[in-house]
Amino acid sequence: QKEVEQNSGPLSVPEGAIASLNCTYSDRGSQSFFWYRQYSGKSPELIMFIYSNGDKEDGRFTAQLNKASQYVSLLIRDSQPSDSATYLCAVTGYKLSFGAGTTVTVRA
Amino acid sequence: GAGVSQSPSNKVTEKGKDVELRCDPISGHTALYWYRQSLGQGLEFLIYFQGNSAPDKSGLPSDRFSAERTGGSVSTLTIQRTQQEDSAVYLCASSWGQGRTDTQYFGPGTRLTVL
Repeated sequence: QKEVEQNSGPLSVPEGAIASLNCTYSDRGSQSFFWYRQYSGKSPELIMFIYSNGDKEDGRFTAQLNKASQYVSLLIRDSQPSDSATYLCAVTGYKLSFGAGTTVTVRA
Repeated sequence: GAGVSQSPSNKVTEKGKDVELRCDPISGHTALYWYRQSLGQGLEFLIYFQGNSAPDKSGLPSDRFSAERTGGSVSTLTIQRTQQEDSAVYLCASSWGQGRTDTQYFGPGTRLTVL
């Protein structure tokens, strides 16, 4: 079992819609959870982190964490073509472990 | 301040040659990571340095790969006797190394092509 698993995608959504990205992790002791965005040919950049159960909102992005279910998600509201990228879920245990990423395409 | 820098940005080499990739972390960051990303793939963890502790080398794919970090700052990843399957983008990241909001900041990567 991989430490961090993401829905494989690719995910295609129309402009203005909500994109929903899911991530599950195996280490129940994981403390912190990060979402990174990676544009094609670029390095990953941090979108947001979450470490408490519940929702955390930052602009059009909302991260949701459920430690009992070992599940973290990212919602992108009012999706824009500029949101087209690969989104990486990362989980901290001893070290940061990354999922394989979900590629999102926002159709204009 | 300056971000993580890596050099060279691109490296083309012949099979069997050795290569060295360099990473300059953000000043003051104690943690440094190396990852490899093949085309269309996720991040593959290679090695992790934290302060003066022994590095976590659990991700190195073979004994042809090694890394060092001098003076707790600059790191060099060395690949000996390169193979075509070593072709990938090699990413370095650094962080403060503590706290639950510890965030890794990535460099621009080195694209390695082995002919």
